[in-house]
Amino acid sequence: DTAVSQTPKYLVTQMGNDKSIKCEQNLGHDTMYWYKQDSKKFLKIMFSYNNKELIINETVPNRFSPKSPDKAHLNLHINSLELGDSAVYFCASSHYLPGPNSPLHFGNGTRLTVT
Amino acid sequence: KQEVTQIPAALSVPEGENLVLNCSFTDSAIYNLQWFRQDPGKGLTSLLLIQSSQREQTSGRLNASLDKSSGRSTLYIAASQPGDSATYLCAGNYGGATNKLIFGTGTLLAVQP
Repeated sequence: DTAVSQTPKYLVTQMGNDKSIKCEQNLGHDTMYWYKQDSKKFLKIMFSYNNKELIINETVPNRFSPKSPDKAHLNLHINSLELGDSAVYFCASSHYLPGPNSPLHFGNGTRLTVT
Repeated sequence: KQEVTQIPAALSVPEGENLVLNCSFTDSAIYNLQWFRQDPGKGLTSLLLIQSSQREQTSGRLNASLDKSSGRSTLYIAASQPGDSATYLCAGNYGGATNKLIFGTGTLLAVQP
């Protein structure tokens, strides 16, 4: 299946731990994103990478570090997890030049719970 | 500040009814506007994308309009079905090629059989 897939689907961990979320897309897109959806369901962009190069970094704490080994993968590593990091994290991808046929494609999300 | 707002926050309609979801944005320098649906526990599915030079886009029973001068977009759903029940989100692209989307707060739609 062509898709954006992210793992794990659920992640429960304690404060202070370090965790990673992985994302892969097989759509041939050259741009990938991380979005955060908070408890009020509000979605906000965190990062965007184009061909392994960071192009959007939206005032996210430096405890969050995205890593893109190639244009089909964008992983998110979070250090020293805090309670406020609890949210659903969505990975997405698109072509770099959005047009009628290149909207964003989203993964199914990773629900992170920090206790 | 770029903000996107959706009204109403929730909507319940009987099956078969036509309905309109509203989206407003504060900054008209929009590259395109995208409508998504989100089902519980799932990611977002793209429904329609309207370029800033376009006035509307249609896909099946869905029609989205864009009026940059008034800062508004609407999503019209014809002959609603229970399967249309979901949260509908609009997002303004303010990044051009970088596809930086500012999302609205969403409208939770329930279509009653």
